[in-house]
Amino acid sequence: DAGVTQSPTHLIKTRGQQVTLRCSPKSGHDTVSWYQQALGQGPQFIFQYYEEEERQRGNFPDRFSGHQFPNYSSELNVNALLLGDSALYLCASSATGWTEAFFGQGTRLTVV
Amino acid sequence: AQRVTQPEKLLSVFKGAPVELKCNYSYSGSPELFWYVQYSRQRLQLLLRHISRESIKGFTADLNKGETSFHLKKPFAQEEDSAMYYCANTGNQFYFGTGTSLTVIP
Repeated sequence: DAGVTQSPTHLIKTRGQQVTLRCSPKSGHDTVSWYQQALGQGPQFIFQYYEEEERQRGNFPDRFSGHQFPNYSSELNVNALLLGDSALYLCASSATGWTEAFFGQGTRLTVV
Repeated sequence: AQRVTQPEKLLSVFKGAPVELKCNYSYSGSPELFWYVQYSRQRLQLLLRHISRESIKGFTADLNKGETSFHLKKPFAQEEDSAMYYCANTGNQFYFGTGTSLTVIP
């Protein structure tokens, strides 16, 4: 089991562009959560997907959207990128009924 | 709202000395608290959860509801303990603290 995998590992985008980040959960996990980790900060919860629906959402604008596919993999989309969106984006997966989350290595997004 | 506070951003101790990383939470219900660790160039990983009351790598953490704390402790720090430590509180989502960077000095 490769665990939680995220792609790409690094990404540079221009302000105003759109970006899509991808996450494959750990085998046997059906719940995917996304986090934004700015430099020097702890991870901030963006949203969680379960059964292909957004189940919970943190304090992030609608520019941040997501999707979960039938195979439980997930995408995070960010529109109209701002310089402040530059951060490490973490994906975490968990199994229904368990609160332990397994994290991916993250995608480092730089907006210039 | 569920929040966790880690008052120390940086903590340095000598090898063999006791270490305590502080975490305070604010949650009116029954909290589920975790400690996550991130070693250099590795992904965030679970270290401890309060419900299991276990000791991992010599670390323990006790939930103190009176003080709303979940401090992480180890009696004798090792160099390999140097890492970033995050306290987290979860209900329907994880709330992470800002983290404490622990450096164990040889």
